[in-house]
Amino acid sequence: DSGVTQTPKHLITATGQRVTLRCSPRSGDLSVYWYQQSLDQGLQFLIQYYNGEERAKGNILERFSAQQFPDLHSELNLSSLELGDSALYFCASSVLAGDTDTQYFGPGTRLTVL
Amino acid sequence: GENVEQHPSTLSVQEGDSAVIKCTYSDSASNYFPWYKQELGKGPQLIIDIRSNVGEKKDQRIAVTLNKTAKHFSLHITETQPEDSAVYFCAASIGGTASKLTFGTGTRLQVTL
Repeated sequence: DSGVTQTPKHLITATGQRVTLRCSPRSGDLSVYWYQQSLDQGLQFLIQYYNGEERAKGNILERFSAQQFPDLHSELNLSSLELGDSALYFCASSVLAGDTDTQYFGPGTRLTVL
Repeated sequence: GENVEQHPSTLSVQEGDSAVIKCTYSDSASNYFPWYKQELGKGPQLIIDIRSNVGEKKDQRIAVTLNKTAKHFSLHITETQPEDSAVYFCAASIGGTASKLTFGTGTRLQVTL
């Protein structure tokens, strides 16, 4: 158990809908990262927040957004969902936003868009 | 941006044998190289990592080597056990103020009895 929690574990929804995925980092960690894992794209970095502020952006679609709250939990919002958004979404956390900061991953949320 | 290639995509070894997985990276500025193990239905679990100021690191049956000149790093698992069966991912990070990981495509390791 990494100490990172994610809810829900599974999510099934329809195209065009909007969903929110939630992540609680390990105690004491200030950075939260979101990754998408799909069969064709592998593990892809989406976005990073550090202490409430966006720190880095990766291959995140404009339909997707995230935020980190004062209690350091984070939410990933996915809107206008398409079939291709079906994937595993992982959250990771680390203590700092430093050069070589170790990232610990949560168990993921499996999103299925029908 | 950074690109990480990983080989092989699948690897089958007999219990007790060694397994080696290799990765190459493209950006010479990368300075952090973790390895993750992912079991079915679970999130990636960090098993070992190495930083660019070190050439080799060992933790019991697991070792990682880094060749900065050639821009490649490898995971070595000795005395493999059935519970080592999983998908292994290498990753690289350039660091700086943000430390996003760029992952390899994964290696499915099967340890047979």
